[in-house]
Amino acid sequence: DSGVTQTPKHLITATGQRVTLRCSPRSGDLSVYWYQQSLDQGLQFLIHYYNGEERAKGNILERFSAQQFPDLHSELNLSSLELGDSALYFCASSVVKGGGTDTQYFGPGTRLTVL
Amino acid sequence: AQSVTQPDIHITVSEGASLELRCNYSYGATPYLFWYVQSPGQGLQLLLKYFSGDTLVQGIKGFEAEFKRSQSSFNLRKPSVHWSDAAEYFCAVGTPGAGSYQLTFGKGTKLSVIP
Repeated sequence: DSGVTQTPKHLITATGQRVTLRCSPRSGDLSVYWYQQSLDQGLQFLIHYYNGEERAKGNILERFSAQQFPDLHSELNLSSLELGDSALYFCASSVVKGGGTDTQYFGPGTRLTVL
Repeated sequence: AQSVTQPDIHITVSEGASLELRCNYSYGATPYLFWYVQSPGQGLQLLLKYFSGDTLVQGIKGFEAEFKRSQSSFNLRKPSVHWSDAAEYFCAVGTPGAGSYQLTFGKGTKLSVIP
């Protein structure tokens, strides 16, 4: 158990809908990262938040957004869902110490199925 | 841009046999390298990491990896595989940027273990 929690574990929805994925980082971690794992693209970095502020964006679609709240949990919002958005979405957390020697710990993931 | 290549999509070994999973990276600066393991239906678990120093790093579950700068490689090894090692293994390179730190993953190697 990494200490990172994600809810829900599974999510089934229809095209055009909007969903929210939730992540709680490890106690004391200030950074939250979101990744998408799909069969064709593999594991891809989406977005990074540190202490409530957006720090970096990766291959995140404009239909997707995220935020990190004062209690440090984060939510990933996916809207106007398409079949191709079906994937496993991971959250990871870390203590960003600077200098690049940071380790990310991953949650169990949320499996999103868009029908 | 950084990239990670795992040349073997699927490897099958017999229980008790030795294992080597290959990983090659492309990154302009000193790399920070990781191996993660993903069991079916599970999240990513960190096996080991390399930041600097001794190029042979020890991880959990009896795994080790060797960083070879001249070959841009970070291969994962285990002297004797157990049936419980069957999983998918991901190599990743950490790329620190301005105020952020992202992981770039390889496509993964699926390990099957024959009793």
